[in-house]
Amino acid sequence: QVQLEQSGADVKQPGASVKLSCEASGYTFSNFGISWVRQAPGQGLEWMGWIGIYNGQTKYSHKVQGRVTLTADTSTSTAYMELRSLRSDDTAVYYCARVIPAAIGRFDPWGQGTLVTVSS
Amino acid sequence: QSVLTQPPSVSGAPGQRVTISCTGSSSNIGAPYDVHWYQQVPGTVPKLLIFDNNNRPSGVPDRFSGSKSGTSASLAITGLQAEDEADYYCQSYDSSLSGSIFGGGTKLTVL
Repeated sequence: QVQLEQSGADVKQPGASVKLSCEASGYTFSNFGISWVRQAPGQGLEWMGWIGIYNGQTKYSHKVQGRVTLTADTSTSTAYMELRSLRSDDTAVYYCARVIPAAIGRFDPWGQGTLVTVSS
Repeated sequence: QSVLTQPPSVSGAPGQRVTISCTGSSSNIGAPYDVHWYQQVPGTVPKLLIFDNNNRPSGVPDRFSGSKSGTSASLAITGLQAEDEADYYCQSYDSSLSGSIFGGGTKLTVL
């Protein structure tokens, strides 16, 4: 079955960077894009960005553009999200999700989520 | 505030019908980009509930249905059950923002 397996929880200090991974299985990785979505404690879902695995095209939300970079390694079917200059309000659960079709579609399935805590 | 507007909360008794609205604009729902709905039970991963406005993935009960008209969409749940208590989010694409967007979420309480 289609699955996305994310890396484990992380704690970072303000100003640091974090790089999360999302390993796909059960489908042809390059045929679909991956989006990243985060959810701060007690808050709603916030889309952060999308990467088209086939050609590496990326789209980023205006809120995090300049601090986030999405990449993918087709040899390991793994997508990555790096977020720099971390602030306390970046504390959230970060999800990856397969996007069907292209950048404009639905998110299915989702990874299990990675909790990133930003604290001094 | 979110680009897509949802009511913060709705409630209903077991067996009743509830609807959740999702209001957008001409650059997203009205463009027209498809609307998708997700169910998130607290502490769990969001789950796709309705895709492309009115389609249910395999395994989703037909008590859940979606519709779209103009710049708005709706999720309807009939025959409410206790297990339906969750947060519901609508999602679409916005051409002005060149990215996906979510509604702020609606908390469904089954009385």
